[in-house]
Amino acid sequence: ETGVTQTPRHLVMGMTNKKSLKCEQHLGHNAMYWYKQSAKKPLELMFVYSLEERVENNSVPSRFSPECPNSSHLFLHLHTLQPEDSALYLCASSQDVGDEQFFGPGTRLTVL
Amino acid sequence: RKEVEQDPGPFNVPEGATVAFNCTYSNSASQSFFWYRQDCRKEPKLLMSVYSSGNEDGRFTAQLNRASQYISLLIRDSKLSDSATYLCVVNTYNFNKFYFGSGTKLNVKP
Repeated sequence: ETGVTQTPRHLVMGMTNKKSLKCEQHLGHNAMYWYKQSAKKPLELMFVYSLEERVENNSVPSRFSPECPNSSHLFLHLHTLQPEDSALYLCASSQDVGDEQFFGPGTRLTVL
Repeated sequence: RKEVEQDPGPFNVPEGATVAFNCTYSNSASQSFFWYRQDCRKEPKLLMSVYSSGNEDGRFTAQLNRASQYISLLIRDSKLSDSATYLCVVNTYNFNKFYFGSGTKLNVKP
């Protein structure tokens, strides 16, 4: 509906697993974002990419590793996560950094 | 102090009521402002941008008060479908910093 898709929609993983979240935008936007939304907390910006270049990393632990191979795709590689990393991970895109953002449906992650 | 603060509510109003939310921000260099709505277990969806002169979109009116560092959202003639959490978003001078409020929950009742 919004032109931003995310897979998988749900993910359960153990602390020793490695998994990746995928985001794709079909809007021709130049900027893409990863957010984390935990229960009862505001959205937290994790990473910002502009034209495939990372322009912001908000002190995110290294167990989260983003990748932006082109302006339409964004990945979040997960490794050795902790139970407190369980949250809704949202991808968004905007025409340029600072413009209105459009969100994907999110990946609901549970770390056991 | 939080970058963006909102009253969490909930605001419980009858259909047809007018309701207003405020959102305060701490950084006077903030440059762009938005209202999003988020339904339970769904992604945030853009409701409207907030312009310096204020702007209206149907039943929704957004205002910006730079002197007092707050933005507001007014909803007229509330519908049941307006029930959601309303998120205030502020973008600071550094374009890479987006701050979301915790949201204000609105319940519109028949």
